Amino acid sequence: DIQMTQSPSTLSASVGDRVTITCRATQTISIWLAWYQHKPGKAPKRLIFKASNLESGVPSRFSGSGSGTEFTLTISSLQPDDFATYYCQQCDTYPLTFGGGTKVEMK
Amino acid sequence: VQLVDSGGGSVQPGGSLRLSCAASGFTFSTYWMSWVRQAPGKGLEWVANIKQDGSEKYYVDSVKGRFTISRDNAENSLFLQMNSLRDEDTATYFCARDLKQIGFDSWGQGTLVTVSS
Repeated sequence: DIQMTQSPSTLSASVGDRVTITCRATQTISIWLAWYQHKPGKAPKRLIFKASNLESGVPSRFSGSGSGTEFTLTISSLQPDDFATYYCQQCDTYPLTFGGGTKVEMK
Repeated sequence: VQLVDSGGGSVQPGGSLRLSCAASGFTFSTYWMSWVRQAPGKGLEWVANIKQDGSEKYYVDSVKGRFTISRDNAENSLFLQMNSLRDEDTATYFCARDLKQIGFDSWGQGTLVTVSS
């Protein structure tokens, strides 16, 4: 199975901060990676697909990069609505697997 | 696009439960569909998916032989039959529209399954 490792697991930040989350795969997945935002009691929301493609309607402060085994999600200027948990997911090989999540909390 | 999950509840270990997902707002029969779960305090875990016509199904190892994914395209519905339930199956289960290599673009609100004696 492809293991996805996210870092950090928790991130304390303030509104306006630039935030970067890293996701590493144990084997190459080309660009087949998605990022999701998840808030308690809500459905997860896809932010990025194909490593760097922004979902329609998602603010441009979110961006994704990477290929192969290393990927990043960047929030250029953290907004109050962005405090949530973020997950990467490899879409390349079964079983589909998610990273362990990164909780972005208020500093 | 709307996905409405239902069927969750409390069940004893070894018991069974059938989850449903009602789809609307899109042509259900043209999409792969998946189930994803989240155990309390844990991350997301993909459980199973099914091809448009039901001819291909894939499962995470931990549920193989116990869970069965199915669909009824005439009723725009997705199902997850869960048998021989274990404590570790306790989770909120989400159905999701599966775009294969570009991930899950729409999700249900989730239905909670609690396995406990």
